[in-house]
Amino acid sequence: EVQVLESGGGPVKPGGSLRLSCAASGFTFSDYSMNWVRQAPGKGLEWVSSISPSASTIYYADSVKGRFTISRDNGKNSVYLQMTSLRAEDTAVYYCARGEVIVGAGAVGDYWGQGTLVTVSS
Amino acid sequence: SYDLTQPPSVSVSPGQTASITCSGDNLGKRFTSWFQQKPGQSPVLVIYKDKQRPSGIPERFSASNSANTATLTISGAQAVDEADYYCQAWDSFTAIFGGGTQLTVL
Repeated sequence: EVQVLESGGGPVKPGGSLRLSCAASGFTFSDYSMNWVRQAPGKGLEWVSSISPSASTIYYADSVKGRFTISRDNGKNSVYLQMTSLRAEDTAVYYCARGEVIVGAGAVGDYWGQGTLVTVSS
Repeated sequence: SYDLTQPPSVSVSPGQTASITCSGDNLGKRFTSWFQQKPGQSPVLVIYKDKQRPSGIPERFSASNSANTATLTISGAQAVDEADYYCQAWDSFTAIFGGGTQLTVL
């Protein structure tokens, strides 16, 4: 059974940093791209970042470029999102989702985690 | 920037057919996916590659994509289908979501 489990969310002050983790199981992790998608309270879905199976290709939304860094460890079946210079508008539930074999194509996620809440507030 | 436009809300009577549209420039030339999200839950993929259903998704969910509009159709809508629905496509290495459509079954 495919499972995706996020962790690392919590409260943080504006300008602070936080690292989200996503542990995957039930599939060959190194074969798939992985994505982060967020949802602000009461709002729609917003794509954040994608990473290819080998980590050779990475994409970011303009809203987080230069502040967020996505990475993965295929040996640990995990993907990470390092978030810096956090702003109030980054407050959201952050979802990790399994993407396609090819990054930047198709469905952004066929399996999603339960999400982890990041709250940026002073 | 590329935008996907969805109606904010759609209503349907139980057993009837609901159609949710997603409009974007030349959307028919891109693969479109659809996600269902119920309150307090994570999104669920219901359609990928324009019209393919993942395993476990009921046959009453179907979709098409042509020209500038992708359409998600729920035939014989049930109360359990009440949810927010999002379309998604890629443009210039960016994943784009539509604003979402709240489907009410009543």
